[in-house]
Amino acid sequence: QKEVEQNSGPLSVPEGAIASLNCTYSDRGSQSFFWYRQYSGKSPELIMFIYSNGDKEDGRFTAQLNKASQYVSLLIRDSQPSDSATYLCAVKNTGGFKTIFGAGTRLFVKA
Amino acid sequence: EAGVAQSPRYKIIEKRQSVAFWCNPISGHATLYWYQQILGQGPKLLIQFQNNGVVDDSQLPKDRFSAERLKGVDSTLKIQPAKLEDSAVYLCASSLAGTYTDTQYFGPGTRLTVL
Repeated sequence: QKEVEQNSGPLSVPEGAIASLNCTYSDRGSQSFFWYRQYSGKSPELIMFIYSNGDKEDGRFTAQLNKASQYVSLLIRDSQPSDSATYLCAVKNTGGFKTIFGAGTRLFVKA
Repeated sequence: EAGVAQSPRYKIIEKRQSVAFWCNPISGHATLYWYQQILGQGPKLLIQFQNNGVVDDSQLPKDRFSAERLKGVDSTLKIQPAKLEDSAVYLCASSLAGTYTDTQYFGPGTRLTVL
């Protein structure tokens, strides 16, 4: 079992729709969870992080965390073609020392 | 605020050669990370420094990879000798303190091709 799992996609959604990206993790003691966006040929850039159960909203983005189910998700509302990228889920372990990334989900937003 | 700087941006070498990458973190950031990202995969942490001490290097292939962070600022990552499977993008990142809520900022990366 991989430590952080994501569906590789591609996930294709029409412009204006909600894109839902999912991530599961194996370390039950994980403390914090990050979503990064990576355009092709570029380095990852942080979208948002969450460390408490529930929802956290930032503009068009909402992160959802369920520690009991070891599940974190990212919702992108009103998806735009510029949102087309690979979305990486990252999890910090109990000690906060090591960040483990998932393989990423490729999102394609059709105009 | 200047971002994380890396050089070179691209490097092509033959197997068994050596190569070195340089990283300059954001000013004031105590924690520095080196990641390896193979095409189609997520970044894999190679080594994490807190100031000039190593916090985690459990996934660093120590028989061929080495890294140092002198004076707690700049860092270099070296591969000697390189193998074909080392072809990847090497990302450097930095963060303020390395805590569990800390945000990592990535540099542009160095794309290494081993022939």
